[in-house]
Amino acid sequence: DQQVKQNSPSLSVQEGRISILNCDYTNSMFDYFLWYKKYPAEGPTFLISISSIKDKNEDGRFTVFLNKSAKHLSLHIVPSQPGDSAVYFCAASAMYSGGGADGLTFGKGTHLIIQP
Amino acid sequence: ETGVTQSPTHLIKTRGQQVTLRCSSQSGHNTVSWYQQALGQGPQFIFQYYREEENGRGNFPPRFSGLQFPNYSSELNVNALELDDSALYLCASSSGGASQETQYFGPGTRLLVL
Repeated sequence: DQQVKQNSPSLSVQEGRISILNCDYTNSMFDYFLWYKKYPAEGPTFLISISSIKDKNEDGRFTVFLNKSAKHLSLHIVPSQPGDSAVYFCAASAMYSGGGADGLTFGKGTHLIIQP
Repeated sequence: ETGVTQSPTHLIKTRGQQVTLRCSSQSGHNTVSWYQQALGQGPQFIFQYYREEENGRGNFPPRFSGLQFPNYSSELNVNALELDDSALYLCASSSGGASQETQYFGPGTRLLVL
């Protein structure tokens, strides 16, 4: 049972336009959400995060929106640049349930392709 | 500031063998988490070490074990390797054992089991 879902395996966007990557989750205990970017043969690079007490967080060209009632978050990249072409992973974590850390739960990723 | 490093970068083993993967955490971080990423999947949590103690574990069998050293570097050991253990193994470090700490990843070790 996938607790974090990224339903679009790939997304193609023209350079300069907005890229919107979506992520849904099922576990209501998740309280912290992150987006990572991954190039081939490299580890995931942290992009931006958001706590469940907020509904928006912005960092330069990257904005993450959280809709807790819909259990949905999205990453907006404006404007999209060729270097943004990569696989983007949505991840979530929950407060300890008493059994220790559960780590990050990841989606399967969305491959973003920025076309010139 | 030194980032997360992992060694080796690539490894080939045969079924039944044992393997040890190594990770050095980012400067100032005392928590290390290990993940397994199979092809086409997102990383899956194996376990976390905080101040040299296992602090949480995912759904992996006991043949996956680990250690954290006083300098906060860590090892992942896998015994009795199976073909399905072929994957990218990622190490991530963070500055505390809490849930709202951002984890920073190393480049990974790609393991192939034949």
